[in-house]
Amino acid sequence: GEDVEQSLFLSVREGDSSVINCTYTDSSSTYLYWYKQEPGAGLQLLTYIFSNMDMKQDQRLTVLLNKKDKHLSLRIADTQTGDSAIYFCAGGGNTPLVFGKGTRLSVIA
Amino acid sequence: DSGVTQTPKHLITATGQRVTLRCSPRSGDLSVYWYQQSLDQGLQFLIQYYNGEERAKGNILERFSAQQFPDLHSELNLSSLELGDSALYFCASSVAGDWNTGELFFGEGSRLTVL
Repeated sequence: GEDVEQSLFLSVREGDSSVINCTYTDSSSTYLYWYKQEPGAGLQLLTYIFSNMDMKQDQRLTVLLNKKDKHLSLRIADTQTGDSAIYFCAGGGNTPLVFGKGTRLSVIA
Repeated sequence: DSGVTQTPKHLITATGQRVTLRCSPRSGDLSVYWYQQSLDQGLQFLIQYYNGEERAKGNILERFSAQQFPDLHSELNLSSLELGDSALYFCASSVAGDWNTGELFFGEGSRLTVL
């Protein structure tokens, strides 16, 4: 089945760009997703990319997809303290969504 | 507010006991998913129901069971509880039953502590 891996921690300074990386194994996913979890809350969809796209930009967010290497990244421009959260990569073509363990982003003011 | 309601928010119980977690999906959503979030395992898919029928099963222990009722709310039953069952249990819902399209809407979770 699908396996999704991502680094566990990232620390950046306010105003810098953050890049969160993810690798996945199931190439049959139609969509790949980024979810955000703020403290004490459930996961919320942040953005997604269709599997036949290489890049998607949505305001401060840029998603890059390298299908050959099965690598997905999320770039947050001008990172703010309000972006501090856990970010989950998710995919799944033949199964319900499989999530990575999440990357905890800490933004230093 | 995602529109998904989970109760209770917190639950403390002892080993060997049984608990029931409840989830009300967003209005109009037919699919309900249960996920377990623990520090070491991350977010693990347990089970999915679609319009009252079991649709997919993940890493759900035999001590755990779930069902979806005609009004589409769902319950996750956890029995013979062990210390390792302590986790945050999320319910999510979606409109469709298939897995390749559509967004999952998550509740705020039920935090279970087994002492």
